[in-house]
Amino acid sequence: KNEVEQSPQNLTAQEGEFITINCSYSVGISALHWLQQHPGGGIVSLFMLSSGKKKHGRLIATINIQEKHSSLHITASHPRDSAVYICAVRGGATNKLIFGTGTLLAVQP
Amino acid sequence: NAGVTQTPKFRILKIGQSMTLQCTQDMNHNYMYWYRQDPGMGLKLIYYSVGAGITDKGEVPNGYNVSRSTTEDFPLRLELAAPSQTSVYFCASSSPGTARPNSGKLSNEQFFGPGTRLTVL
Repeated sequence: KNEVEQSPQNLTAQEGEFITINCSYSVGISALHWLQQHPGGGIVSLFMLSSGKKKHGRLIATINIQEKHSSLHITASHPRDSAVYICAVRGGATNKLIFGTGTLLAVQP
Repeated sequence: NAGVTQTPKFRILKIGQSMTLQCTQDMNHNYMYWYRQDPGMGLKLIYYSVGAGITDKGEVPNGYNVSRSTTEDFPLRLELAAPSQTSVYFCASSSPGTARPNSGKLSNEQFFGPGTRLTVL
């Protein structure tokens, strides 16, 4: 069993829909990251959080430390949101990350 | 700032050949990492470094070597390429500490290079 599990693995949505991607982890962490990887491969950090909730534009990330669970929400989804969204958890002093396998999101116009 | 740069972007190797993947960052980050990304799998840590002169193995170090002679550079060496090393390789860097001024972001997020797509035939 992977230490970081994401669901769903694949998600297709219509433009404008509210999207939720889930991440569960089984290890102790100091922070959780949400990353975005576009076709062509570049990886960009969206959020890093250790408690509560963060919002950036149409993206919202929440984390529940007790339940070892995080969600990434996209409001008013747009085709340009189509990408792979990756959850990663960080523990220890070296900032090493453990990655989930990613969620492939396709937003259709 | 250029951030994290990697060269080459693409490379095809024959079995048994050797090569070095280059990674450079200009953010004065202490920590640097090499990952590989295989289809359907999460990124796996190959090697990491917490500062110049210090390197350590990650999850999947076999078949690779690294060095960290400067803060900026963290090259990854493949000595005897094998088909199992066909993958996309990402270099990343980060720095622990306080929030970066004017950005609102904590400085220990990881910044990724654009990746190197390697095929071993």
